[in-house]
Amino acid sequence: GDSVTQMEGPVTLSEEAFLTINCTYTATGYPSLFWYVQYPGEGLQLLLKATKADDKGSNKGFEATYRKETTSFHLEKGSVQVSDSAVYFCALSGNTNAGKSTFGDGTTLTVKP
Amino acid sequence: GAVVSQHPSRVICKSGTSVKIECRSLDFQATTMFWYRQFPKKSLMLMATSNEGSKATYEQGVEKDKFLINHASLTLSTLTVTSAHPEDSSFYICSAVGEADGETQYFGPGTRLLVL
Repeated sequence: GDSVTQMEGPVTLSEEAFLTINCTYTATGYPSLFWYVQYPGEGLQLLLKATKADDKGSNKGFEATYRKETTSFHLEKGSVQVSDSAVYFCALSGNTNAGKSTFGDGTTLTVKP
Repeated sequence: GAVVSQHPSRVICKSGTSVKIECRSLDFQATTMFWYRQFPKKSLMLMATSNEGSKATYEQGVEKDKFLINHASLTLSTLTVTSAHPEDSSFYICSAVGEADGETQYFGPGTRLLVL
């Protein structure tokens, strides 16, 4: 079945540091890939998505490129802020139940001033 | 756009009582809604998939008689935790998928349930 593996956390960075959170996936066919962010005490918010190979999703300074050859969708940001502290989830939506997604375990990011 | 609300945001109840949580898509029609449970510092656990007008599909290990799901319209799904016990205390999150996109899940803000 489909699966998503995320870099284990927690990740602690200083403000303005470069961020990478690794995500790899296993799926049949051509899934869409997502990054969601969850701030403390809240639900998840869609951060970015990519629907086909070589697509780059971007939002709020975050980027991720759909790499079919390495089955990866790593999240990057050039300069993190304290407000980026949250849990980040990588997910894929495959070809089965409409909208049903497979989520990674989440990576907790803490950014210190 | 694509806003999903949940109500209540927090609820405290006594053991043995039932609690209903509402999930609404405010500005789109949701073909499918999902209910998740999240334990502290853990990932999301999918409980069930809900389609308007049909019975919910429950994930393995989720008691359908305990977690009643009703998807009465294209904008509303409810989760009722029946005869709640302290071990049901958790953060419950719903999400909705719209007709236009069909794959992006839009999440509600979650409901914190505490059973005493």
